[in-house]
Amino acid sequence: AAGVIQSPRHLIKEKRETATLKCYPIPRHDTVYWYQQGPGQDPQFLISFYEKMQSDKGSIPDRFSAQQFSDYHSELNMSSLELGDSALYFCASSRGLAGVSYEQYFGPGTRLTVT
Amino acid sequence: GENVEQHPSTLSVQEGDSAVIKCTYSDSASNYFPWYKQELGKRPQLIIDIRSNVGEKKDQRIAVTLNKTAKHFSLHITETQPEDSAVYFCAASYSSNTGKLIFGQGTTLQVKP
Repeated sequence: AAGVIQSPRHLIKEKRETATLKCYPIPRHDTVYWYQQGPGQDPQFLISFYEKMQSDKGSIPDRFSAQQFSDYHSELNMSSLELGDSALYFCASSRGLAGVSYEQYFGPGTRLTVT
Repeated sequence: GENVEQHPSTLSVQEGDSAVIKCTYSDSASNYFPWYKQELGKRPQLIIDIRSNVGEKKDQRIAVTLNKTAKHFSLHITETQPEDSAVYFCAASYSSNTGKLIFGQGTTLQVKP
């Protein structure tokens, strides 16, 4: 079965640089969630999109922005990178919202290292 | 506020024994409770979930129970095997309109052969 695809898998950037992470949801999934996971920590919700509209927002820095495109893939744009942004970034997708389907399936993640 | 507490943080059992991980949540409106297994450096993998209209769900060696009155839910793994060793996260859906998940702090399960 097709899974969530994320690219790149690894990314090394210097402080103050920008980064773009991409997420391709499971086919027919219209909802995308972004999570950040620091070493030894639980995933922290950043932002989500349903049918190309932002549906919820969590602890996402103002330096980050994201969007969902017409083909349902999503991109997370990160600017003015800081050392503390080093983490695993996961994208998850689901089919619909409340009342339809809740299961969220995670992609393999992008490991971002800021030096 | 949005909070999920998970205990214990580490759990060590002998192969064949049972393991129980417990979580509590703060928002009585939460209605979906998944459990994820995560191996080092890998993605969280959905292993079982339960919705608020169900008290218990079982899938082979794994079961989850939900007590909505007390706002807690638990993961039960029976006949543990070394390959069950991983970090387990509970989560609660804190917004029925968006599906956003709030995770517990995680439990590192070690199954000794």
